[in-house]
Amino acid sequence: AQRVTQPEKLLSVFKGAPVELKCNYSYSGSPELFWYVQYSRQRLQLLLRHISRESIKGFTADLNKGETSFHLKKPFAQEEDSAMYYCAPCRDSNYQLIWGAGTKLIIKP
Amino acid sequence: DTAVSQTPKYLVTQMGNDKSIKCEQNLGHDTMYWYKQDSKKFLKIMFSYNNKELIINETVPNRFSPKSPDKAHLNLHINSLELGDSAVYFCASSHKFGAGHLYFGNGTRLTVT
Repeated sequence: AQRVTQPEKLLSVFKGAPVELKCNYSYSGSPELFWYVQYSRQRLQLLLRHISRESIKGFTADLNKGETSFHLKKPFAQEEDSAMYYCAPCRDSNYQLIWGAGTKLIIKP
Repeated sequence: DTAVSQTPKYLVTQMGNDKSIKCEQNLGHDTMYWYKQDSKKFLKIMFSYNNKELIINETVPNRFSPKSPDKAHLNLHINSLELGDSAVYFCASSHKFGAGHLYFGNGTRLTVT
């Protein structure tokens, strides 16, 4: 079965420290991968997608097909990065995103 | 200018009642969705509509009935509400079926007492 795993439910780091939110997927095909973010009291929104190879708000995510991972990284965390982050790397047979359980990121001052 | 809007924002009701949540998108998208986010923040798709036609109907009690009068609207009606229905319900849309970029509404926090 196609699955996505975000092993950390909660990640807490100090401001200025590097951040890495892990995401592993199992998918028998060429995945299209996304990271979504939900700031407090705001709607869920797309942060970045791997095909664009962009850096959004200082975040990057590299697809590692060998490790089947799509970890989200930022070299220097900021307090405004505190949010819930969802990895959505796969499409099932109905072409729907399969969502990870989410990681709550807390940036301590 | 809100792209995906849903109402109401909060809904508090008693067990056994029937309630509806409305959703509208002004993006011209073909596909709309309903998601449920539980207390642990886990997101689960409930329904997906493409051009007013039901495409995805996950394992959802038949007390939940979506209705899409046109492709810009997708409403969710819930009959005989139960305590376990308490959650945040998100509406979303995408340009076309299968597109991975979803645009979400602000959510409706449903509390069943």
